[in-house]
Amino acid sequence: GESVGLHLPTLSVQEGDNSIINCAYSNSASDYFIWYKQESGKGPQFIIDIRSNMDKRQGQRVTVLLNKTVKHLSLQIAATQPGDSAVYFCAERERSNDYKLSFGAGTTVTVRA
Amino acid sequence: DGGITQSPKYLFRKEGQNVTLSCEQNLNHDAMYWYRQDPGQGLRLIYYSQIVNDFQKGDIAEGYSVSREKKESFPLTVTSAQKNPTAFYLCASSPRQPSEKLFFGSGTQLSVL
Repeated sequence: GESVGLHLPTLSVQEGDNSIINCAYSNSASDYFIWYKQESGKGPQFIIDIRSNMDKRQGQRVTVLLNKTVKHLSLQIAATQPGDSAVYFCAERERSNDYKLSFGAGTTVTVRA
Repeated sequence: DGGITQSPKYLFRKEGQNVTLSCEQNLNHDAMYWYRQDPGQGLRLIYYSQIVNDFQKGDIAEGYSVSREKKESFPLTVTSAQKNPTAFYLCASSPRQPSEKLFFGSGTQLSVL
């Protein structure tokens, strides 16, 4: 639930720059984290996930970093493109909550040309 | 073309009326989920089903009902008991429980007349 949060509701990025979207979580028992991208009027699309036994995972133009010490998750997007404009959600899987995914409120990313 | 199909895309409900949202998947996934999304908020879990003929309440099940008679189908009924039904409803599926890498449909926007 609201233990997962994106504390910057909006982010404006210049095209070509790198984007960093942050997410804080409070449940130290969470074992799995995932990032989704949602465009207006559509369902969320999977971007990348990471398990709690990892600190970093890379995909195509995206990197997820997990800092369990401070319960912080970030999504880095390299060379941001206009098509990256969307709402980005992080979610955690809570072992204490029947392994259900809990989603944060999302960060709206706008890419400036 | 595998995926999750939600219908209709837009739905209007009159006061006191029950309405049913359809969700079909051909991904052969065992688990299916219904989430509700309100503007500026994260996704909240309504109901989920791990196998056919079995389902569990999520965090906001009151005023909703589901069935899981077939693996491919997980319809959601918004009953007249749901006093604030206006929202974007998302159906998702995953290969297995516990929740991991959910695949989402394109959503149904429900509004009250």
